[in-house]
Amino acid sequence: QKEVEQNSGPLSVPEGAIASLNCTYSDRGSQSFFWYRQYSGKSPELIMFIYSNGDKEDGRFTAQLNKASQYVSLLIRDSQPSDSATYLCAVAMRFGNEKLTFGTGTRLTIIP
Amino acid sequence: EPEVTQTPSHQVTQMGQEVILRCVPISNHLYFYWYRQILGQKVEFLVSFYNNEISEKSEIFDDQFSVERPDGSNFTLKIRSTKLEDSAMYFCASRADPGKAFFGQGTRLTVV
Repeated sequence: QKEVEQNSGPLSVPEGAIASLNCTYSDRGSQSFFWYRQYSGKSPELIMFIYSNGDKEDGRFTAQLNKASQYVSLLIRDSQPSDSATYLCAVAMRFGNEKLTFGTGTRLTIIP
Repeated sequence: EPEVTQTPSHQVTQMGQEVILRCVPISNHLYFYWYRQILGQKVEFLVSFYNNEISEKSEIFDDQFSVERPDGSNFTLKIRSTKLEDSAMYFCASRADPGKAFFGQGTRLTVV
């Protein structure tokens, strides 16, 4: 059974600070890793994906992957109130295969 | 900006009835997916579809479920005989490039 684990939160971060979201996965053969944002009652929205060990930056977002530790994280710099949402980590067995296994999500609240 | 469109936004049906959920993927996308999210739970993969056939399906996608691309623009999910536990938000997604799947706004299915 492939599992993706996230701390459900809520995680509260002051506006302007760095929010750090973490995710672990059980299947060592997983190859690609995704972060989605989901506002309450809305659909998941892709933030970014990563498939190589190390960091990948896109604007205020940085994804970090460590395959040896089976760990992927998302950093949000200069957090804004509009970043308040549930962040979903998802994993796929190979890049280009969107058979995604999702975590339960971490609820993030940015405090003005 | 192009988007995945789903109809209806909310469907109420009686247990045992058939429902068809409709999706219009983004026009140049070739890969299509259905996911579902039971209230308060994880997003779960149902099925992927490419080149007019199912490429992968999950254990949830049993004989009660089917998908079709009837006319080159629509992508449908049919549930033949709905059960109470089929109540969920159903998301359609599509992609062109690997890793960049876009989700529709979802159809909330309520089985009574």
